[in-house]
Amino acid sequence: QQQVKQSPQSLIVQKGGIPIINCAYENTAFDYFPWYQQFPGKGPALLIAIRPDVSEKKEGRFTISFNKSAKQFSLHIMDSQPGDSATYFCAASKGGYQKVTFGTGTKLQVIP
Amino acid sequence: DAGVIQSPRHEVTEMGQEVTLRCKPISGHNSLFWYRQTMMRGLELLIYFNNNVPIDDSGMPEDRFSAKMPNASFSTLKIQPSEPRDSAVYFCASSSTGVEGTQYFGPGTRLLVL
Repeated sequence: QQQVKQSPQSLIVQKGGIPIINCAYENTAFDYFPWYQQFPGKGPALLIAIRPDVSEKKEGRFTISFNKSAKQFSLHIMDSQPGDSATYFCAASKGGYQKVTFGTGTKLQVIP
Repeated sequence: DAGVIQSPRHEVTEMGQEVTLRCKPISGHNSLFWYRQTMMRGLELLIYFNNNVPIDDSGMPEDRFSAKMPNASFSTLKIQPSEPRDSAVYFCASSSTGVEGTQYFGPGTRLLVL
């Protein structure tokens, strides 16, 4: 059962553009929503995370928007750079933060 | 800190052979996870341990797969016998409860079963 649905599967933007990656979840018990970034040949690494008690979180050029009623959250990358080219995974977990359910990933390419 | 260490980084084997993947978590972390990543299925959680005890192995595909964590600094994932459909990148990750459970991933083992 796919508990975290992620779209799009791939995304190409020009440098300076604002790619947006969307995720939707089903389990209302989820209470922690991290985003992971993965470069080719590397393991995923935590990028930014949000709790459902806030609607937005910013860290540098990365912003998570969270809509609890719609059970959706999204990642926005401001002023995207070629170095942001990577695969991005949304994820969700509940109580204890241990078992994390990952989305299917979005491969982002930022063209110079 | 050296981060999560996995070995080998690459493994090529023939169908039917036993494969053992190894992981050393970050010192002080008390949770350890094994994932498998493929193009078709994405990132799948196979099993995770808390304080060396297996908590959830529902993601282990079949009896050919087994995992152990004999102590806090070492874990193995074994596939016996291996099959071509086991070809994937296997990641180990560790985390520490109380720090919002951020998982730190190793570099992965790329397995090819011929």
